[in-house]
Amino acid sequence: EAAVTQSPRSKVAVTGGKVTLSCHQTNNHDYMYWYRQDTGHGLRLIHYSYVADSTEKGDIPDGYKASRPSQENFSLILELASLSQTAVYFCASRAGAGGDEQYFGPGTRLTVL
Amino acid sequence: GDSVTQTEGLVTLTEGLPVMLNCTYQTIYSNPFLFWYVQHLNESPRLLLKSFTDNKRTEHQGFHATLHKSSSSFHLQKSSAQLSDSALYYCALLGYKLTFGTGTSLLVDP
Repeated sequence: EAAVTQSPRSKVAVTGGKVTLSCHQTNNHDYMYWYRQDTGHGLRLIHYSYVADSTEKGDIPDGYKASRPSQENFSLILELASLSQTAVYFCASRAGAGGDEQYFGPGTRLTVL
Repeated sequence: GDSVTQTEGLVTLTEGLPVMLNCTYQTIYSNPFLFWYVQHLNESPRLLLKSFTDNKRTEHQGFHATLHKSSSSFHLQKSSAQLSDSALYYCALLGYKLTFGTGTSLLVDP
């Protein structure tokens, strides 16, 4: 069974503070993704990576950084958290070949006050 | 760039009635994969079904969809809705990257 875990599962942060969301996969997948989910906007891609030590911008990268120090780990960093970044964040992994299934983590609920 | 359109934000049905959730897409990629993901309340999205082959019906867990490249559509259907089908459904396109639609919430009433 493919496994993607995220930590923390929920977090309350203050405006202007730094937030790091972590993701770990044991699928041996090349591709990893960070999405945010907001009502009415669905899943929007923030950053992704297809190899360790390299990250790519997704559709809404502004205000976020990403880090992929190893194949298994992928972090999302909010250097200066803002109210508009309150959302649920999902990490996902995919083998990357053709129509392979994308496996999602359980999500992190981030509230910025 | 690639895009996926799900026209209905919310679909409300009575149990036992047929389900049809619309999905159309745009891509310049000639051989896209299309997916339907389902997300139940307080859970993460998981794959429901996928297709690559034009005009071939794909089925899983009572749901089915057919990829029609001529109309760039991949509508999700089920003959009889169940209460447990209440969830958020995402259509997704894999062209040069994976692109999700905005999702359709399906609410099935008794």
